[in-house]
Amino acid sequence: ETGVTQTPRHLVMGMTNKKSLKCEQHLGHNAMYWYKQSAKKPLELMFVYSLEERVENNSVPSRFSPECPNSSHLFLHLHTLQPEDSALYLCASSQDVGHGNTIYFGEGSWLTVV
Amino acid sequence: GQNIDQPTEMTATEGAIVQINCTYQTSGFNGLFWYQQHAGEAPTFLSYNVLDGLEEKGRFSSFLSRSKGYSYLLLKELQMKDSASYLCAVRDSNQGGKLIFGQGTELSVKP
Repeated sequence: ETGVTQTPRHLVMGMTNKKSLKCEQHLGHNAMYWYKQSAKKPLELMFVYSLEERVENNSVPSRFSPECPNSSHLFLHLHTLQPEDSALYLCASSQDVGHGNTIYFGEGSWLTVV
Repeated sequence: GQNIDQPTEMTATEGAIVQINCTYQTSGFNGLFWYQQHAGEAPTFLSYNVLDGLEEKGRFSSFLSRSKGYSYLLLKELQMKDSASYLCAVRDSNQGGKLIFGQGTELSVKP
């Protein structure tokens, strides 16, 4: 139990579907992140939110749309995805953005696009 | 830009010691992290180095040399449960403190 909870753990969706990934952190942190983890590739930072404000968008295609309604919740809305988007999507949080802050990860949502 | 290199795979024997190396190139180094990730699970924090030297935490130790752009994670008295992927990550202050990850080292511990 890392204090960061993601749902669903597994998701299979068609290319025309719309779905959402949900993340909740119980650590009282101010910063939340979405990372993508593909096989044999480094973790890729997608989005960073600090106090519900997006501070980084790492050239992510618009078919991924994040939402942060409060500092404890983070969503990733998915629509018209491609098969190459199949990956493990990891949510994470830290006390604040920046140096010295350890990032704590959720267990991830395995996404398969068919 | 940034570049983080670590071996893709390593194999070691139960009870032995293994050293996983990580080299990095970054314009604004501001700390190095090691994470452990078991298959299908979340990466979990192992250690953090921002100054040169060795940080020890039980069976795990992490070393940093900023002048050489080099770190290693040392695992002693290996156990089967240590089989996992070990991720090296560097924080870059020139990119808003973004954490840049290496591809990870898959460690297999054999009996």
